[in-house]
Amino acid sequence: SQQGEEDPQALSIQEGENATMNCSYKTSINNLQWYRQNSGRGLVHLILIRSNEREKHSGRLRVTLDTSKKSSSLLITASRAADTASYFCATVPQISGNTGKLIFGQGTTLQVKP
Amino acid sequence: DTAVSQTPKYLVTQMGNDKSIKCEQNLGHDTMYWYKQDSKKFLKIMFSYNNKELIINETVPNRFSPKSPDKAHLNLHINSLELGDSAVYFCASSHLAGQGNSPLHFGNGTRLTVT
Repeated sequence: SQQGEEDPQALSIQEGENATMNCSYKTSINNLQWYRQNSGRGLVHLILIRSNEREKHSGRLRVTLDTSKKSSSLLITASRAADTASYFCATVPQISGNTGKLIFGQGTTLQVKP
Repeated sequence: DTAVSQTPKYLVTQMGNDKSIKCEQNLGHDTMYWYKQDSKKFLKIMFSYNNKELIINETVPNRFSPKSPDKAHLNLHINSLELGDSAVYFCASSHLAGQGNSPLHFGNGTRLTVT
């Protein structure tokens, strides 16, 4: 079954506002990753957080991970029109061993209005 | 100098035909993947090869056959195409670090339409 589920499915904000997306998963994980997909393009890796980490920053991105709740959040601060894209969380379940199997959620579609 | 390149970008074909999608990566990665993205943007892994060896083979119809001639290439051949095969197919690559901690690099996808 699908490992990750994201909330909300769609988000529309004004430029300059912050955007928060949430991801929940079902089984124990080795790490959780966030990806961005622009329309008609492939996914681009944004950030990876390991299961023993609680928070990670990269530029305007902040990711948190709560393994007790099996959830993660992605915060984009001071959003720009160029941030308009779909955002996916993806997990590497512990049960997948060393195969690198990455399971994706269904994504949050973010629209940033100029 | 595209890192992961797939061809063709678009593929329109009729039911029953056989088609192939090619993928090449120049990142020096040892692991390559095929993912399928449906109309609701749900991404599902299909196959993974590590150093030309199949390591992930999800529940995919045996009409789909991956072939990896070398570490830098992973092609996908589909026999007897069906309407339900219409989707965007993504190739990706990574280093297979311990516990899968290496991020994936994706191609720009092949949009397959079966009529």
